Amino acid sequence: AQSVAQPEDQVNVAEGNPLTVKCTYSVSGNPYLFWYVQYPNRGLQFLLKYITGDNLVKGSYGFEAEFNKSQTSFHLKKPSALVSDSALYFCAVRDAGGADGLTFGKGTHLIIQP
Amino acid sequence: DVKVTQSSRYLVKRTGEKVFLECVQDMDHENMFWYRQDPGLGLRLIYFSYDVKMKEKGDIPEGYSVSREKKERFSLILESASTNQTSMYLCASIPVWDRGPRATNEKLFFGSGTQLSVL
Repeated sequence: AQSVAQPEDQVNVAEGNPLTVKCTYSVSGNPYLFWYVQYPNRGLQFLLKYITGDNLVKGSYGFEAEFNKSQTSFHLKKPSALVSDSALYFCAVRDAGGADGLTFGKGTHLIIQP
Repeated sequence: DVKVTQSSRYLVKRTGEKVFLECVQDMDHENMFWYRQDPGLGLRLIYFSYDVKMKEKGDIPEGYSVSREKKERFSLILESASTNQTSMYLCASIPVWDRGPRATNEKLFFGSGTQLSVL
């Protein structure tokens, strides 16, 4: 079975500071990892994904995520937060060798304070 | 720009009513999905379809059915709505390089969602 955990319901960051949104996963085989963002009253939008290759993945809006196999983590990061980054962020995983689709985390509310 | 359109942004229905949620995509995508989103639970897959007239159960299909008569349209049906089906419903599609769950290696395109309240 595959699973993903987002340990923080909410993350508060001051504008201009670096931000991290945490995600850990569990799969039997190799993971495919994703981050999606949901702005208020909108559907989810794809941010980035890790399939293979470089452990540091760059995505939309200046976000990046680092795949750490030993810690089974895929934390989302940004060097300097903007107020407009305030949204709900979802991590998702699927087992590359499995037959299941994506499993989403519960989501983390990111609040950027001016 | 790719577009996934859900016909209603908000719906209010009574317990026992039959409810149709409609989703249309204009990208000629093979795979389409219905998720429900609940606070603290994230997104959970209800049903998906990888071709016209084809459907597969997701993680929580009970109380739901789907219809895919045309490639661009994927409908979610609540045969007899209940209060525990009050939720945000999200439709998504994905271009085909694979069918079914393995297609989600590629990015999902989501609609804006339908907030359904069952009273």
